[in-house]
Amino acid sequence: DSGVTQTPKHLITATGQRVTLRCSPRSGDLSVYWYQQSLDQGLQFLIQYYNGEERAKGNILERFSAQQFPDLHSELNLSSLELGDSALYFCASSGRDSYNSPLHFGNGTRLTVT
Amino acid sequence: AQSVTQLGSHVSVSEGALVLLRCNYSSSVPPYLFWYVQYPNQGLQLLLKYTTGATLVKGINGFEAEFKKSETSFHLTKPSAHMSDAAEYFCAVSDPRGYSTLTFGKGTMLLVSP
Repeated sequence: DSGVTQTPKHLITATGQRVTLRCSPRSGDLSVYWYQQSLDQGLQFLIQYYNGEERAKGNILERFSAQQFPDLHSELNLSSLELGDSALYFCASSGRDSYNSPLHFGNGTRLTVT
Repeated sequence: AQSVTQLGSHVSVSEGALVLLRCNYSSSVPPYLFWYVQYPNQGLQLLLKYTTGATLVKGINGFEAEFKKSETSFHLTKPSAHMSDAAEYFCAVSDPRGYSTLTFGKGTMLLVSP
């Protein structure tokens, strides 16, 4: 058990809808990262927050947004969903930045857009 | 920009045989390098990492990797495969200069036969 909790585990929704994925980081970790894993693109970095502030942004679509709350949990919001958004979304946390402390991954949220 | 290439999307070995998973990276600066493992229906787990110092790095479960700057490689090895090693393995690179996030390779699925 990594200590990172992601909910829900599975999500099935229709095109055009909006969903929210939730992540609770490991106790004491200040950094939260979101990754998208799909068969064709592999693991793609989306966005990182550190202690409530956006730290780095990767290949995140404009339809996607995220935030980290004062209690350090994070939410990833996906809107105007398309079939191609179907993927496994991982949250990871670390104490500081990833090169000084390793990433601890949650078990992911599997999103299916129909 | 950094990138990671993992040669072979699937590698098959027999139990007891040598495991060799290949990883080559591209980076404009000396990178930090990582190997993660993903078991079915789970998140990624850190196997080992190279930051500075000794180029031969030992990780969990008997795995090790050697950083070869001249070859821009960070191949993962294990002398004797076990059935429980069957999983997907990801090589990743980070830039130590800034607020680094990990760039992952596309992964190599290790299949172990009895």
